[in-house]
Amino acid sequence: QSALTQPRSVSGSPGQSVTISCTGTSSDVGGYNYVSWYQQHPGKAPKLMIYDVSKRPSGVPDRFSGSKSGNTASLTISGLQAEDEADYYCCSYAGSYTFRVFGGGTKLTVL
Amino acid sequence: EVQLVESGGGLVKPGGSLRLSCAASGFTFSSYSMNWVRQAPGKGLEWVSSISSSSSYIYYADSVKGRFTISRDNAKNSLYLQMNSLRAEDTAVYYCARVPRISRSHYFDYWGQGTLVTVSS
Repeated sequence: QSALTQPRSVSGSPGQSVTISCTGTSSDVGGYNYVSWYQQHPGKAPKLMIYDVSKRPSGVPDRFSGSKSGNTASLTISGLQAEDEADYYCCSYAGSYTFRVFGGGTKLTVL
Repeated sequence: EVQLVESGGGLVKPGGSLRLSCAASGFTFSSYSMNWVRQAPGKGLEWVSSISSSSSYIYYADSVKGRFTISRDNAKNSLYLQMNSLRAEDTAVYYCARVPRISRSHYFDYWGQGTLVTVSS
């Protein structure tokens, strides 16, 4: 069982928007603004998409955005494209003992 | 260009040991915290361990504490993970990942391609 809870799968049609949630506790997601999101295509290494809840690294399309409310962080992908089909993982800092925790991952299917 | 190249994976029997390496290039390795993250076959990502730039701060996931040891050699631009008392549930692809050189960074900006560790009799 992963420390952070994500839906196992989401789907959307090209051009639509989807939101992936990541629910933790006040000890991780809710306690710090250190949530990051990673995209992983099959057989590939993860790629950073969002960091510090809502910041986007250089090179990541602005179709990807992040937010947080309470103990739940969210990744929204607007204007879905076929290449967005992948697994997405959230990760949060969880204090000096647990340190870092990942979500179980969400498979995004572009219909 | 930042590159992280893991090596040392393979097949090992339960109870055995293995040492993973991660060779870094394209950046000043000694200035960055580094991590190991693993992914069991068909499963999600799991953070394993973290080491600060000067090795002053080291952290482990509860699942590997007491069995795994993270270390680094800044002169060789290399990160290591010594894995002892291996169990079947340690079977995974092990990635090394870099944390940006920014104060209070808690994300991974570069990842290696991973090395597969299989624990089986």
